[in-house]
Amino acid sequence: NAGVTQTPKFRVLKTGQSMTLLCAQDMNHEYMYWYRQDPGMGLRLIHYSVGEGTTAKGEVPDGYNVSRLKKQNFLLGLESAAPSQTSVYFCASSYQAGVSYEQYFGPGTRLTVT
Amino acid sequence: GENVEQHPSTLSVQEGDSAVIKCTYSDSASNYFPWYKQELGKRPQLIIDIRSNVGEKKDQRIAVTLNKTAKHFSLHITETQPEDSAVYFCAARIGGYSTLTFGKGTMLLVSP
Repeated sequence: NAGVTQTPKFRVLKTGQSMTLLCAQDMNHEYMYWYRQDPGMGLRLIHYSVGEGTTAKGEVPDGYNVSRLKKQNFLLGLESAAPSQTSVYFCASSYQAGVSYEQYFGPGTRLTVT
Repeated sequence: GENVEQHPSTLSVQEGDSAVIKCTYSDSASNYFPWYKQELGKRPQLIIDIRSNVGEKKDQRIAVTLNKTAKHFSLHITETQPEDSAVYFCAARIGGYSTLTFGKGTMLLVSP
C-alpha cells in the first residue's frame, strides 16, 4: 500500500496563477483533510471531507477550493495564487470517526508563490 | 471552537535526560488527544494518543498524561536519544466532530 500520496512535491507559481494539488489514499478512508504548515503556526486546517461528494471549511479556507469526486482522491485548488499562500501543504486521511481517529499524512507539497 | 496552546516552543536536553511538553485545551467536550512527531522534512506521524476516559498511557519511553479538570495533557519522553530530535505537535478533538485542532509545535533538540 502506498498510503497517502501527494502530487506535486514542489511547485513555484507566480501571483495570480492557478493550480491544483492532488491527494490520493489507498486505505479506503472516509475522511480526508488539507492542512497548511507555516513556521511557528503549526498545522492549520484548510478544508476537509467526511465522505465522497462532501466538503467543509476548516480554520483557514479563504483563497482555496476543494473537491472530493472519488473516495480515494481529494483535490485542493488555488484559483489566484497570492504570496501569502506560500507554505507546505499536507493532506491527511482517517477512518470514519469512532473506528480510529488517527490521521495519516502525505509527504507534503512545498508551494512558493512569487 | 477548540483552542490548543502548546509549551514550550523549543526544548533542548542532553541525551539521557527526560523531556516534557505540555498542552492546554479550551473545550471541555474534547475527548481525544493525539501527539504527532515530525522529523525535519518529513510528514507528521502519530506517536501516541489518549482518550478522555484514561488518565495516563505509556508506550516504552513515551507517555501521555491527561488532567480533564485542568484541561491539560502532557507528553513525557524518558531517556531521550538524538533520534528523538523533531517537532512534536499535540492536538485535540471535540467529541462528535471529525477534525483535530493542533498546537503550534515544540522543537525538541537532544544533544549527544
